[in-house]
Amino acid sequence: AQKVTQAQTEISVVEKEDVTLDCVYETRDTTYYLFWYKQPPSGELVFLIRRNSFDEQNEISGRYSWNFQKSTSSFNFTITASQVVDSAVYFCALSTGSSNTGKLIFGQGTTLQVKP
Amino acid sequence: NAGVTQTPKFQVLKTGQSMTLQCAQDMNHEYMSWYRQDPGMGLRLIHYSVGAGITDQGEVPNGYNVSRSTTEDFPLRLLSAAPSQTSVYFCASTPRGRINLKETQYFGPGTRLLVL
Repeated sequence: AQKVTQAQTEISVVEKEDVTLDCVYETRDTTYYLFWYKQPPSGELVFLIRRNSFDEQNEISGRYSWNFQKSTSSFNFTITASQVVDSAVYFCALSTGSSNTGKLIFGQGTTLQVKP
Repeated sequence: NAGVTQTPKFQVLKTGQSMTLQCAQDMNHEYMSWYRQDPGMGLRLIHYSVGAGITDQGEVPNGYNVSRSTTEDFPLRLLSAAPSQTSVYFCASTPRGRINLKETQYFGPGTRLLVL
């Protein structure tokens, strides 16, 4: 079975705090892709990152960083020094198979509220 | 490029009515898919297509039909709308094979559907 679990339904932090959003996935495939998307209050889906199963290097992009650990089937997302503009729903997603056909399995989403 | 476009942005239907949600992309992507987003459930795959003339079911296909007569268009049809189909619908497209790209899933802006 393939599944993505985002156990944190809602997180509330004060601006400038660091926050980590958890993502745990399940798949028996050895080749797969993991994604994070942001959905701001305006409703569109904003792509943040894609990581394939053969690349366990952590990635940093500005205040965003991602920790991919195959040993624990986790792909966690950390926002450093959070800002009000980071308030959104964040989705983790999984795509299996070697050719990324666009069939994504999404987690339930984590609503992040950053208070000034 | 306009990317992935969806029409309408918002629609109200009465139970039993039919309608078609339009999706078009101008990036010559082979793969296209439809998702629905419901509170607390993330996005779930309804139908997808790997090319013109080829479609298949996703996780929640009941009550929906699709066809793919051209590479550009992938309409989603509700034959007899039910209140359970009240949701936000996202269309997405994915290029085949170009997995070296950072972003491989392009989402439309969404259609908000209310069935009374």
